[in-house]
Amino acid sequence: EIVLTQAPGTLSLSPGERATLSCRASQSVTSGHLAWYQHKPGLAPRLLIYGASSRATGLPDRFSGSGSGTDFTLTISRLEPEDFAVYYCQQYVNSLSSFGGGTKVEIK
Amino acid sequence: QVQLQESGPGLVKPSETLSLTCTVSGGSITSHYWSWIRQPPTERLEWIGFIYHNGVTDYNPSLKSRVTMSVDTSRNQFSLKLSSVTAADTAVYYCARARSGYIYGAFDFWGQGTLVTVSS
Repeated sequence: EIVLTQAPGTLSLSPGERATLSCRASQSVTSGHLAWYQHKPGLAPRLLIYGASSRATGLPDRFSGSGSGTDFTLTISRLEPEDFAVYYCQQYVNSLSSFGGGTKVEIK
Repeated sequence: QVQLQESGPGLVKPSETLSLTCTVSGGSITSHYWSWIRQPPTERLEWIGFIYHNGVTDYNPSLKSRVTMSVDTSRNQFSLKLSSVTAADTAVYYCARARSGYIYGAFDFWGQGTLVTVSS
C-alpha cells in the first residue's frame, strides 16, 4: 500500500501570497496517477489536478501541479480569499488507492 | 452539470448493515466509473470501491469482505452495502464519479456527503 504524507499540516498565509503544498509517497506513483482536491467544510471535495499536473475543467491557472515518482507539489501562485481550505492528494494506481492526511491553508 | 446525492439512514446499529444510495442527475450513469469514499472523524479519506454500469466492481482490500455495490441504470443510481458495522465505520460517506478515462481516482464530481453514525 502506498502511504501519502502531506506537508505541512497547516500553512498560514495571507491573500496574495504563494502556497506550496507537498505530497510524498512511500513508493513510486506509476504513470503519474496523482490528484489534488480542495475541500471546504460542508461542501463536496473539488478536483483540482489529475495526472500530477493536468488542471481540472475550469480551474484558475493560479493552481498548478508538478512532480513525479514519489514527490509531488501543488502550488497556488497567489492566494485568493476563496482558496483557504483543506487540500488532499490521492494516488489512484489501483484498488490500493489512498489519500494523504491533508494540508490546511488558513488565513494568517 | 452532473450532480450526485447520497441518501440513507444516518444511524446504524453495531453488527447491522449500512445501506446508502447515490442518485446521479444531469448525466447518465452508463458512462464513467462510480465510487464510494468515506472519511471517519479526524481521519483521512478512504476509497471504498467502484462500480461500472455493467456491474463490474472492485473494492478496497481492507473492506472487501464486508462491501457490496450494485447499480440500477433505470434509476440512474448506485448503492453501497457495508455489513457487520462497528463504531470504526462511523464516517461521512461520499459518492463520486471518476473523470473519463480513469477508474480509481481523479474524481471530478462528488456528492456533498452523508454522515453515518454506528451506535446502539
